[in-house]
Amino acid sequence: RKEVEQDPGPFNVPEGATVAFNCTYSNSASQSFFWYRQDCRKEPKLLMSVYSSGNEDGRFTAQLNRASQYISLLIRDSKLSDSATYLCVVTWEYGNKLVFGAGTILRVKS
Amino acid sequence: GAGVSQSPRYKVAKRGQDVALRCDPISGHVSLFWYQQALGQGPEFLTYFQNEAQLDKSGLPSDRFFAERPEGSVSTLKIQRTQQEDSAVYLCASSLGFSGGIQGSQETQYFGPGTRLLVL
Repeated sequence: RKEVEQDPGPFNVPEGATVAFNCTYSNSASQSFFWYRQDCRKEPKLLMSVYSSGNEDGRFTAQLNRASQYISLLIRDSKLSDSATYLCVVTWEYGNKLVFGAGTILRVKS
Repeated sequence: GAGVSQSPRYKVAKRGQDVALRCDPISGHVSLFWYQQALGQGPEFLTYFQNEAQLDKSGLPSDRFFAERPEGSVSTLKIQRTQQEDSAVYLCASSLGFSGGIQGSQETQYFGPGTRLLVL
């Protein structure tokens, strides 16, 4: 079983739609949680950290459920420029290496 | 300001060749990471340095892979006797330091553009 699992998609949505991605992780000792964004043939870039209390950054909202070992990302009012692969990332208790999911592909169409 | 840089950006190697991939982290960043990203997958951890000390090399897939950071800045990932399964994008990331295991204090890792390695 993979340590971080995501639905690979692709999610094809029209501009203005709301879309949600989910991710589960297997290591209950995971310490920190993130969503990274990766554009085609580019490096991953941090989109946002994820906290137990939930956090919002503009059109993006992230939630963490430690009991269910589940992380979500909600994107409201999708833009064409949101098209990318979204990577769910966790770090473990005794190190700070990033453990990535395989990514979820989002395509926003006009 | 300058980000993480990597060279070469693309490398084609014949099976059995040795290759060396270079990473220049952001100036002053203590921590440096190497990841391997196969097509259609997320990056996978290879190794981690804090200054010149290699603290974790648990992700290196075989003894053909070797990494060093002798002066605590530039790092080189060397792959000996390359195989076709080594074909991937090799990403380097750096961060200011390690803040310990407190949620929310994880130092942000900044990635370089990667080296795309193709082994024929």
